[in-house]
Amino acid sequence: RKEVEQDPGPFNVPEGATVAFNCTYSNSASQSFFWYRQDCRKEPKLLMSVYSSGNEDGRFTAQLNRASQYISLLIRDSKLSDSATYLCVADTGGFKTIFGAGTRLFVKA
Amino acid sequence: DAMVIQNPRYQVTQFGKPVTLSCSQTLNHNVMYWYQQKSSQAPKLLFHYYDKDFNNEADTPDNFQSRRPNTSFCFLDIRSPGLGDAAMYLCATSEQGENEQYFGPGTRLTVT
Repeated sequence: RKEVEQDPGPFNVPEGATVAFNCTYSNSASQSFFWYRQDCRKEPKLLMSVYSSGNEDGRFTAQLNRASQYISLLIRDSKLSDSATYLCVADTGGFKTIFGAGTRLFVKA
Repeated sequence: DAMVIQNPRYQVTQFGKPVTLSCSQTLNHNVMYWYQQKSSQAPKLLFHYYDKDFNNEADTPDNFQSRRPNTSFCFLDIRSPGLGDAAMYLCATSEQGENEQYFGPGTRLTVT
């Protein structure tokens, strides 16, 4: 079993749609969680950190459920520019960072 | 602008011929990481440096080595590249106590 698992997609959605990505992690010792965005053939960039209470940044909302070892990312009002791969990340501390393989999103006009 | 720089962006090497990839940073972060990312796969952590302390992941092959001569530079040495080592190699930095990692643009390695 992979330590961080994501639905690879792709998710094909029209502009303006709401789309949700899920991620599960296997190591209960994981302490910090993140969503990164990676454009095709580019480096990952931090989208947002994920807090236990949930957090929102504009059109993006991230939630963490420690009991179920589950992380989610919700994108509202999708834009063409949101097309990318979204990587779920779990950090167990000690600088050990585990990336998921990513979920691909295509937003269509 | 402060940033993470990787050179070269594209590297072609022959099977078994040693190759070195370079990473430099102007962020003055004390942690530097090397990841390997193959197509449609997750970035896989190979090792990291916390200042001069080297930390190798348990499943990183011995074929991969790293050097960090100073805060700004970190090198990835592949002693005898195999065809399976063809991948994107990503360097990242972070500051202790801060979670965000800043990635360089990567070096795409081809092994012929």
